[in-house]
Amino acid sequence: NAGVTQTPKFQVLKTGQSMTLQCAQDMNHEYMSWYRQDPGMGLRLIHYSVGAGITDQGEVPNGYNVSRSTTEDFPLRLLSAAPSQTSVYFCASSSGLEYNEQFFGPGTRLTVL
Amino acid sequence: LAKTTQPISMDSYEGQEVNITCSHNNIATNDYITWYQQFPSQGPRFIIQGYKTKVTNEVASLFIPADRKSSTLSLPRVSLSDTAVYYCLVGGDSSYKLIFGSGTRLLVRP
Repeated sequence: NAGVTQTPKFQVLKTGQSMTLQCAQDMNHEYMSWYRQDPGMGLRLIHYSVGAGITDQGEVPNGYNVSRSTTEDFPLRLLSAAPSQTSVYFCASSSGLEYNEQFFGPGTRLTVL
Repeated sequence: LAKTTQPISMDSYEGQEVNITCSHNNIATNDYITWYQQFPSQGPRFIIQGYKTKVTNEVASLFIPADRKSSTLSLPRVSLSDTAVYYCLVGGDSSYKLIFGSGTRLLVRP
């Protein structure tokens, strides 16, 4: 199993550009989530999903959209990038029975100029 | 959502036992307590989870008193490779929002 994969690993955007961060898991996990981590800080929950077709907002959802059309994929869309969105983005997944035990991807390091 | 409070940082030496305490005064009846470890430039990694009393695995032990308002992660005989940030989370059937706190930065010295 590849586990949780994220692409790209690095990305530089200009203010106002949009892009999609990809996240996929091959463990048939129901629960998926997106976090951001600013330098020297803890992780903050952006959006999460408890299954295909179901998404909900986390702590810091503004400026981001998500969708969950399949169990495997959970893309995160930045609508109009801002310098404040410069961060490392982590995707995670877990099974419905043990959703507290999340498996994290390697992260995407995003810089917005 | 139950909020957690942890020390910002801790220092230790190789071979010592390290205990990191987390306070969660508003924990809900169905909430579990979960600990994660994070190394620089990596995503967090699940360490241990418990509901009450004591849980032990090959990596750590988790002690939870009867009132469940706090928990202690115990790392036996730490090594330099245990230098990391440790996060305590509470969550369960009452909420699917898994919120990370600020974490405890553990530095293990030779």
